[in-house]
Amino acid sequence: DVKVTQSSRYLVKRTGEKVFLECVQDMDHENMFWYRQDPGLGLRLIYFSYDVKMKEKGDIPEGYSVSREKKERFSLILESASTNQTSMYLCASSSGTASGNTIYFGEGSWLTVV
Amino acid sequence: AQSVTQLDSHVSVSEGTPVLLRCNYSSSYSPSLFWYVQHPNKGLQLLLKYTSAATLVKGINGFEAEFKKSETSFHLTKPSAHMSDAAEYFCSGGYQKVTFGTGTKLQVIP
Repeated sequence: DVKVTQSSRYLVKRTGEKVFLECVQDMDHENMFWYRQDPGLGLRLIYFSYDVKMKEKGDIPEGYSVSREKKERFSLILESASTNQTSMYLCASSSGTASGNTIYFGEGSWLTVV
Repeated sequence: AQSVTQLDSHVSVSEGTPVLLRCNYSSSYSPSLFWYVQHPNKGLQLLLKYTSAATLVKGINGFEAEFKKSETSFHLTKPSAHMSDAAEYFCSGGYQKVTFGTGTKLQVIP
């Protein structure tokens, strides 16, 4: 079974803090993704990566950055957290280059910024 | 632009009755289409996927979906709802870029 592990399930951070959300996958997948999930808005893609050290902006990259130094690990960074970044963050991975490949999700990280 | 649209934000059914969750897609090409389920405080789990093979796709837990090109639809169905089906369901798909619908919350009434 593919396993996507998000190390922090629940975090509370203060406005202006730097926040790191870590994600590890164990299936040697090329592609990794960070989504944000908000009620009524579904999943919105923040950033994705199709190879080590490669990254691409998704639909809502503002206020976020990412790092992929190793194939299995994809980190989401909030340089200066703001209250409007309070949300559920989902990491995911998939193999290959075709959009027909299944995306596997972690269990999510609930971030509250106060 | 390629996108999927879930037509209902909430669906409520009685236990033992059929489930229908609706999804339409827009794409100039035959897309890959997926249904995922999310239980509370969990990530998304794949229910089923269509990738231009058979138009009727069977998934886990008794769910199935039919790809109808003429209607640009990929509705999710189940003959008989179970309490454990209560969750949020997401349709997703695309040709080169995968997008997700806004989700449908399924309530199952005992």
